[in-house]
Amino acid sequence: ETGVTQTPRHLVMGMTNKKSLKCEQHLGHNAMYWYKQSAKKPLELMFVYNFKEQTENNSVPSRFSPECPNSSHLFLHLHTLQPEDSALYLCASSQDPGSPLHFGNGTRLTVT
Amino acid sequence: QKEVEQNSGPLSVPEGAIASLNCTYSDRGSQSFFWYRQYSGKSPELIMFIYSNGDKEDGRFTAQLNKASQYVSLLIRDSQPSDSATYLCAAPSGGYNKLIFGAGTRLAVHP
Repeated sequence: ETGVTQTPRHLVMGMTNKKSLKCEQHLGHNAMYWYKQSAKKPLELMFVYNFKEQTENNSVPSRFSPECPNSSHLFLHLHTLQPEDSALYLCASSQDPGSPLHFGNGTRLTVT
Repeated sequence: QKEVEQNSGPLSVPEGAIASLNCTYSDRGSQSFFWYRQYSGKSPELIMFIYSNGDKEDGRFTAQLNKASQYVSLLIRDSQPSDSATYLCAAPSGGYNKLIFGAGTRLAVHP
């Protein structure tokens, strides 16, 4: 198993759909993150979890709902998204906040 | 003011030359700095991190940090075509929890 695994790799959804992105890390890390990467824009931090407690919500719209049941798993629940939410969603983990991040391969999301 | 700023490039260098990538940051309280490499269609991968003023070397890569000037750079010696990628600088902002990335500098190494 690679260090940080994300599924699905690609997702196409309509604006009225509900879907979830999944992330799993096998590195024994304590912190997990969601980042959004849009074309021509920097990586945007969305959420930070440390020991499965949310420690950062970077003013993310409520149509994105994170869930962290344990230190190894992180979900991003999506509902009523907009076309401008189409982007690459990257999950990352680190030993603790402030340590180097290890990224998953990302989920390429397209909202139609 | 952007929290982490990089020149978007592209920076074009010939094979074998030194590539110099620069980054400035706004949070004077930042203590740790990271360089990531991202190939097209791939996720970012860590190249180096630096915490102390001065230089840190790892193989062909050297990271340089100047906290007084709020400036961090990455030098790539003996550049190879395989080094062609986007290089992302990252620093914490508003606390160590929040790692902020620059927009990245695209490096092109031509034979």
